[in-house]
Amino acid sequence: RKEVEQDPGPFNVPEGATVAFNCTYSNSASQSFFWYRQDCRKEPKLLMSVYSSGNEDGRFTAQLNRASQYISLLIRDSKLSDSATYLCVVNPERYSTLTFGKGTMLLVSP
Amino acid sequence: NAGVTQTPKFQVLKTGQSMTLQCAQDMNHNSMYWYRQDPGMGLRLIYYSASEGTTDKGEVPNGYNVSRLNKREFSLRLESAAPSQTSVYFCASSAGPFITSGPSTDTQYFGPGTRLTVL
Repeated sequence: RKEVEQDPGPFNVPEGATVAFNCTYSNSASQSFFWYRQDCRKEPKLLMSVYSSGNEDGRFTAQLNRASQYISLLIRDSKLSDSATYLCVVNPERYSTLTFGKGTMLLVSP
Repeated sequence: NAGVTQTPKFQVLKTGQSMTLQCAQDMNHNSMYWYRQDPGMGLRLIYYSASEGTTDKGEVPNGYNVSRLNKREFSLRLESAAPSQTSVYFCASSAGPFITSGPSTDTQYFGPGTRLTVL
């Protein structure tokens, strides 16, 4: 099983739609969880960390389910500017480097 | 703050040539990383440095060497470039080291990347 798995998409949604991505990870001892955003031909940028209690930042909500070993990202009221690739990122074990998923592409259309 | 900077932004090499990619961060981070990104492969870790004076191999270290020159700078060297090394290279840094593990120390910040083509 791959360490971090994501549906590559693309997810095609109209402006204003709500879209959700899931990501599964293989190591139950994983410590930290993140969503990064990467625009075409640009560097990855931190979108948000994911905490056990779930957390929200404006239109974005992230959830962590340790029992099922997945994290999710919900985007409400999608904007054209949300079009990007979203990377699921996990610290697979204590004192380790991060493991990046291959990303889920989101395309928001007018 | 500039964050993480990389030079050059673009480079074209011929097979067998050598070059060094430079990376610097001004966030007083302990840990630095070099990744390559290829279509369909995602980000792959080449080398990392958990703290000044240490370096370790990542997932794809063959054909590369690194130097942690000081706390700010981490360079990646291709001694004899091959077409398989055509890629986008990203440098990153994090607060680290791995004494503690959590979002505040693990979050990585990336430079703008170097697009390398080897002919």
